[in-house]
Amino acid sequence: GAVVSQHPSWVICKSGTSVKIECRSLDFQATTMFWYRQFPKQSLMLMATSNEGSKATYEQGVEKDKFLINHASLTLSTLTVTSAHPEDSSFYICSAREGGEVEKLFFGSGTQLSVL
Amino acid sequence: GQNIDQPTEMTATEGAIVQINCTYQTSGFNGLFWYQQHAGEAPTFLSYNVLDGLEEKGRFSSFLSRSKGYSYLLLKELQMKDSASYLCAVMDSNYQLIWGAGTKLIIKP
Repeated sequence: GAVVSQHPSWVICKSGTSVKIECRSLDFQATTMFWYRQFPKQSLMLMATSNEGSKATYEQGVEKDKFLINHASLTLSTLTVTSAHPEDSSFYICSAREGGEVEKLFFGSGTQLSVL
Repeated sequence: GQNIDQPTEMTATEGAIVQINCTYQTSGFNGLFWYQQHAGEAPTFLSYNVLDGLEEKGRFSSFLSRSKGYSYLLLKELQMKDSASYLCAVMDSNYQLIWGAGTKLIIKP
């Protein structure tokens, strides 16, 4: 199946700093990518939908100025957590859909963010 | 509102069979997914059902009844490596995925 690469796998940062997470579709073009966060023992929560060449669509309650999303090409979307705080510590996962088939949704390996 | 319900945790024995149920109430329906997620890892795709009935794929099978808003994932010949969380997700009329909280499956020798 298709591969979605996500980096870094884990990151530890100080409170107040910014962290960038990259999500790449390696062998297909993804016009749409999705960003999720997941707290321990909870389900995936969709944060935003990233569309190539246009602004991301954020879910209710997600601060767009805090979680900056850039989808500059058909294979790369980035999520930047700005001025991170300990409550932003979470598991962040991206996914990308290959083509128009709804079942072809592939996930990155996730990024564990710990803010001290 | 939209809702996906699945048991929080289940325990089964190696070599046995286990059925994980999922019930849903969503605005529209464009398919139901099952994913496996090991701790600290991203979900991996197991199955996609859009029509009623049973889909079999090796040791794993998934069943859907749209009229009942119900699905189950059946795991046969359980192996220790099957210990993971199993996530049920439904795609609604806007093609948004609505996720269940996941069922943690514990396999005992």
